[in-house]
Amino acid sequence: GQNIDQPTEMTATEGAIVQINCTYQTSGFNGLFWYQQHAGEAPTFLSYNVLDGLEEKGRFSSFLSRSKGYSYLLLKELQMKDSASYLCAVRDSNYQLIWGAGTKLIIKP
Amino acid sequence: IAGITQAPTSQILAAGRRMTLRCTQDMRHNAMYWYRQDLGLGLRLIHYSNTAGTTGKGEVPDGYSVSRANTDDFPLTLASAVPSQTSVYFCASSDSSSVDEQFFGPGTRLTVL
Repeated sequence: GQNIDQPTEMTATEGAIVQINCTYQTSGFNGLFWYQQHAGEAPTFLSYNVLDGLEEKGRFSSFLSRSKGYSYLLLKELQMKDSASYLCAVRDSNYQLIWGAGTKLIIKP
Repeated sequence: IAGITQAPTSQILAAGRRMTLRCTQDMRHNAMYWYRQDLGLGLRLIHYSNTAGTTGKGEVPDGYSVSRANTDDFPLTLASAVPSQTSVYFCASSDSSSVDEQFFGPGTRLTVL
């Protein structure tokens, strides 16, 4: 079966760095996405990886290792507004997104 | 309209009733999707449409139907609602670019009693 695993919840301190991991087992791979979802709101696109390596976009970076079925999202200089759920999704061989359950990130002052 | 709109925002529905959730986008995206989101579970695809006039079944299609008469609209119908269909429903669209990220509507919170 297809499976996306990510931690249920993480806590970090304002100004610090946090890494959210995602491992996947899917039928085919056509890219990995990270989305941010604030409570009660819609998911919004953060990053996309299709090749191995690091993609950097401001305070957010995303890494992919296809051979290990592994990705992480790195958030630097954490701000209170970064408190949200972070969703990992893999596009499978049918070009459909398979979603993880999300990691709730709590930022403390 | 800017982006994707969904209606209603929330709804309480008696079991056995028919309900249509509306979704409209103004970005001229070819592909549209309906997901449900339940606590502790990832988004699950109900139905999708790659282009106007075509639809396909996702992971959890039972009890739901869709139509795609034009590019902009993608309504989701529950023919006879059951309590297990209590969920938050998100509509999304994508433009078939190289990244092809999905853009989400604000969601409809549906409670079936």
